[in-house]
Amino acid sequence: GNSVTQMEGPVTLSEEAFLTINCTYTATGYPSLFWYVQYPGEGLQLLLKATKADDKGSNKGFEATYRKETTSFHLEKGSVQVSDSAVYFCALSEYGNKLVFGAGTILRVKS
Amino acid sequence: GAVVSQHPSWVICKSGTSVKIECRSLDFQATTMFWYRQFPKQSLMLMATSNEGSKATYEQGVEKDKFLINHASLTLSTLTVTSAHPEDSSFYICSARDVGTGTGSTDTQYFGPGTRLTVL
Repeated sequence: GNSVTQMEGPVTLSEEAFLTINCTYTATGYPSLFWYVQYPGEGLQLLLKATKADDKGSNKGFEATYRKETTSFHLEKGSVQVSDSAVYFCALSEYGNKLVFGAGTILRVKS
Repeated sequence: GAVVSQHPSWVICKSGTSVKIECRSLDFQATTMFWYRQFPKQSLMLMATSNEGSKATYEQGVEKDKFLINHASLTLSTLTVTSAHPEDSSFYICSARDVGTGTGSTDTQYFGPGTRLTVL
C-alpha cells in the first residue's frame, strides 16, 4: 500500500538557519504530493503541492521538488523564522483519493 | 483560497450525550469530505470519507454507529459522536476536496481548523 516516511523530530534551529525536512514515499501509481503545516491548536494548512515528477511546489519561502527517481519530496527553506515553528506533514494522494500522511515533524525555531 | 470552517471549535459534554460537529466548504462545492481524528502529538487518522448524497465510507476499526456522518449538501458534512465517552475526547478535523474547474486540476484537500471535544 501507499505510505509516507518523514524524518523524525523535533528539529531545532536558530533563526535564519537553513531547513530541510526529508520525506520519502511509496506508491503504486503516480501520486500528488503535499506538505501541510499545523500550528498549535489549529487545523492543517496546505503549504505547497506538486502533481507530477520534477514539479516544484513553493510558498512562503518553502520549496519542495517531486523527485520520482528517489521517490522523495523534501521540504526546504533558506532562512527560517520563529514564526515557522509548527508541525509539518508530508502527504500523498492518488486520483484525488484519501490523503496518506507521514507522522509529522515538529520544527522549533529559536531566536 | 479555499476555506473550510468547522463548528464548534471546542465542546465539552457529559458522558452519554451526543455531539454534532459541522464542516462547511465556504467558497467551493465539495462532493467529498473527510473526517480525521488526531491524538496529541500524533498524525491524523482518517475516520471516514463522506460523499454527498450517499453513505459514508468508514475506515477499518471505526464504528459507523458511533460516528454518524451526514453529507446532505455540497457544502456541508456533519459528524455526530453518539453516546460519547471520555475515550472519545480528541481533536476532530475535517477536510473538503476541491476538484477545481477548467483545464487545470487543483484536486486538493483543504482542512478545517478542527474541533476539540472533551467528554467528562
